[in-house]
Amino acid sequence: EPEVTQTPSHQVTQMGQEVILRCVPISNHLYFYWYRQILGQKVEFLVSFYNNEISEKSEIFDDQFSVERPDGSNFTLKIRSTKLEDSAMYFCASSSGGPHNSPLHFGNGTRLTVT
Amino acid sequence: GQQVMQIPQYQHVQEGEDFTTYCNSSTTLSNIQWYKQRPGGHPVFLIQLVKSGEVKKQKRLTFQFGEAKKNSSLHITATQTTDVGTYFCAAYSGAGSYQLTFGKGTKLSVIP
Repeated sequence: EPEVTQTPSHQVTQMGQEVILRCVPISNHLYFYWYRQILGQKVEFLVSFYNNEISEKSEIFDDQFSVERPDGSNFTLKIRSTKLEDSAMYFCASSSGGPHNSPLHFGNGTRLTVT
Repeated sequence: GQQVMQIPQYQHVQEGEDFTTYCNSSTTLSNIQWYKQRPGGHPVFLIQLVKSGEVKKQKRLTFQFGEAKKNSSLHITATQTTDVGTYFCAAYSGAGSYQLTFGKGTKLSVIP
């Protein structure tokens, strides 16, 4: 069964550094998402991306965050200057159809630790 | 944005006992989804409910959507150790929204 793949599985970075989290969505999916989950807490929406642009973003997704689909397969999340509170598990997800019509398929996540 | 309240936060059951988690919203939902997250894993889609009063079954799992489309439940009959994990309900913030808002989840522990 096709999967969403994320790399790296664990990223440790120092506060103030830039990080790029990478995702390869399922190949025929058109909608892409980033979510995050602080340890032991709920899954929080960051951003959705469709047709090469952001379709929606949450309050968490401030100017420090950006997303990009640099080619036909990758989908990246960049955090420009990491803060301690950015430490979390970051999940990429994709879906074949639009919201309300298709379930989200999540990757295994990247655990980001900011020290 | 859309808020979905989920209870209980934790549930410990003996293997073979039943388990139920509840999800409530103050507003009418267009649909509701349920996900399961195994310890150390990622959310995995279980089901989507769309119609008022809808009931769907997956083996030992029964999902219900309330008549007013403001609440939902997931019931597991005769739990097994493989049911361990956190169960989340999730709903979209609005008709045209891309934002799927998750409840806080119910963490199920099954004692063998």
